[in-house]
Amino acid sequence: NAGVMQNPRHLVRRRGQEARLRCSPMKGHSHVYWYRQLPEEGLKFMVYLQKENIIDESGMPKERFSAEFPKEGPSILRIQQVVRGDSAAYFCASSEDRGSSPLHFGNGTRLTVT
Amino acid sequence: GESVGLHLPTLSVQEGDNSIINCAYSNSASDYFIWYKQESGKGPQFIIDIRSNMDKRQGQRVTVLLNKTVKHLSLQIAATQPGDSAVYFCAENMNYGGSQGNLIFGKGTKLSVKP
Repeated sequence: NAGVMQNPRHLVRRRGQEARLRCSPMKGHSHVYWYRQLPEEGLKFMVYLQKENIIDESGMPKERFSAEFPKEGPSILRIQQVVRGDSAAYFCASSEDRGSSPLHFGNGTRLTVT
Repeated sequence: GESVGLHLPTLSVQEGDNSIINCAYSNSASDYFIWYKQESGKGPQFIIDIRSNMDKRQGQRVTVLLNKTVKHLSLQIAATQPGDSAVYFCAENMNYGGSQGNLIFGKGTKLSVKP
């Protein structure tokens, strides 16, 4: 199943450390989306990227969070100086284009900040 | 059995019965809607989608109904099976294909299927 691949599946960081979450989209997909999910809640949009471009970052916290989708390699969601409130499941999704195809999600990275 | 929108987060049905999961969406300008199924420890799995120019769409054992007048979406699952047990989310999108590319998710309904 060449679906959306995320790693690591689980990530534990101490407060103040950096977290790097990786996402490889489905083959042929050039649009990547990051979402965050708190326990017992729905997913909240963070950022939408195409290769080398951030298209919409309206859901991204203004500080400590950044995302990239380089020409080669996976998309990276980076959280600097993590705090306990960053503990959540982070899901990546990809689509073939922005107009007519549904989003396909990976199985997420569960970040725990201790 | 039926759930009544976002205020009833759990729906319990007997195996073999039909399930109806309801969702009230927020934005009258939304023009694309999706149902996702999420099992424990996994990401959301696409079930079925519908555009605002339709009021019904059928898939394998699933049907989505859209009522734009009252901003209501429902997912019907026929002959519910134990493997259908999961949390179901509706999601809406405004200007799909335009400048916005993100989905707005509801809080979800947990479906439990009793054998």
